[in-house]
Amino acid sequence: AQSVTQLGSHVSVSEGALVLLRCNYSSSVPPYLFWYVQYPNQGLQLLLKYTSAATLVKGINGFEAEFKKSETSFHLTKPSAHMSDAAEYFCAVSDSSGTYKYIFGTGTRLKVLA
Amino acid sequence: GAGVSQSPRYKVAKRGQDVALRCDPISGHVSLFWYQQALGQGPEFLTYFQNEAQLDKSGLPSDRFFAERPEGSVSTLKIQRTQQEDSAVYLCASSRDGAEQYFGPGTRLTVT
Repeated sequence: AQSVTQLGSHVSVSEGALVLLRCNYSSSVPPYLFWYVQYPNQGLQLLLKYTSAATLVKGINGFEAEFKKSETSFHLTKPSAHMSDAAEYFCAVSDSSGTYKYIFGTGTRLKVLA
Repeated sequence: GAGVSQSPRYKVAKRGQDVALRCDPISGHVSLFWYQQALGQGPEFLTYFQNEAQLDKSGLPSDRFFAERPEGSVSTLKIQRTQQEDSAVYLCASSRDGAEQYFGPGTRLTVT
């Protein structure tokens, strides 16, 4: 069975500081991994995805994530936080075959301090 | 092009009422997914369609939940005899190949 763990339900950073949101996964088959962002009263927007190509994945809005198989991690980073980055972030895993249904983590709410 | 649309955006139902939630996927997307997102939680998978075939309904919480996609495009999620625990945001997602899903804005259901 697949699962996702997001450490830290709330993370606060100062504007301009590094953003690091943690995600660890469990999967018995090669996974596909995703980071989505959710703004209030909106749906989920894809930030980036890993589908077994390059282990360092670059996404939109300056975010990137590195797939580390040995650590079963897919942490999300951004060098310099902007106020507009304040939102809820979800990590998700799906298998590379079958239905591709997503298993989501419980989310991390990012707060950016002026 | 247009993204995934869902209607209504907000629905208030009295306990025991039936509700129907609609999803219009991106044109040409074969795969369609429904998820349930409780307050403060991540979305949880409900069901999956490939064209009109419902290939996975393992996440439907009870037989009060029913989904259909009769022509392989628009999908409807129906909840019969709603209960308070059904209050959540219901998200629809579509995908061309299954691997990358595009989400709609969701329908927030409140059961009173």
